Amino acid sequence: EVQLVESGGGLVQPGGSLRLSCAASGFTVSSNYMSWVRQAPGKGLEWVSAFYAGGNTYYAESVKGRFTISRDNSKNTLYVQMNSLRAEDTAVYYCARASIDGANYFDYWGQGTLVTVSS
Amino acid sequence: EIVMTQSPATLSVSPGERATLSCRASQSVRSHLAWYQQRPGQPPRLLIYAASTRATGIPARFSGSGSGTQFTLTISSLQSEDFAIYYCQQYDNWPTFGQGTKVEIK
Repeated sequence: EVQLVESGGGLVQPGGSLRLSCAASGFTVSSNYMSWVRQAPGKGLEWVSAFYAGGNTYYAESVKGRFTISRDNSKNTLYVQMNSLRAEDTAVYYCARASIDGANYFDYWGQGTLVTVSS
Repeated sequence: EIVMTQSPATLSVSPGERATLSCRASQSVRSHLAWYQQRPGQPPRLLIYAASTRATGIPARFSGSGSGTQFTLTISSLQSEDFAIYYCQQYDNWPTFGQGTKVEIK
């Protein structure tokens, strides 16, 4: 059974940093395209970053230069390091697996972890 | 960036009735369109991909159609568990989502 479990969210001050983790089971992270998608409170969904199976990484313009996506194959875990956090980064962050055929729609999602950026 | 626009923002429907949700892309996304359902406090759930293919385990009352810039999600006979927010997402380019349509009980 495919499962994604996020952790690492919390309250952080503007300008601070946080690292989110996404532990995967039931499949191999390194063989799939993985993404982070966020949802601000009461708002819609926004794609944030992707890690392709081949190792390439991609970012939305809103987080480019501040967020870094990575993975640990030995732990089957995806990460996102978030620096220089702003109030507008406040959201539930979901880890999502892209389809096994490589298309960028998401067939499995974690439950999400809440990041609150506030002083 | 491809902008996805959903309409209406809110749809009031009685149980057992049909619901029709629309999604428009600012440029052609071919058939690279997915639909998701999100219930309160839950992550999104994939319903439809490739504009019209139901995901695993999705009931037949959900159907998708369209290509290019105009897409439709139809729920043929609404059940209580279908009252939720629905999002479309294009994946012809970097993923972008519509703002959602809330399907509420009339």
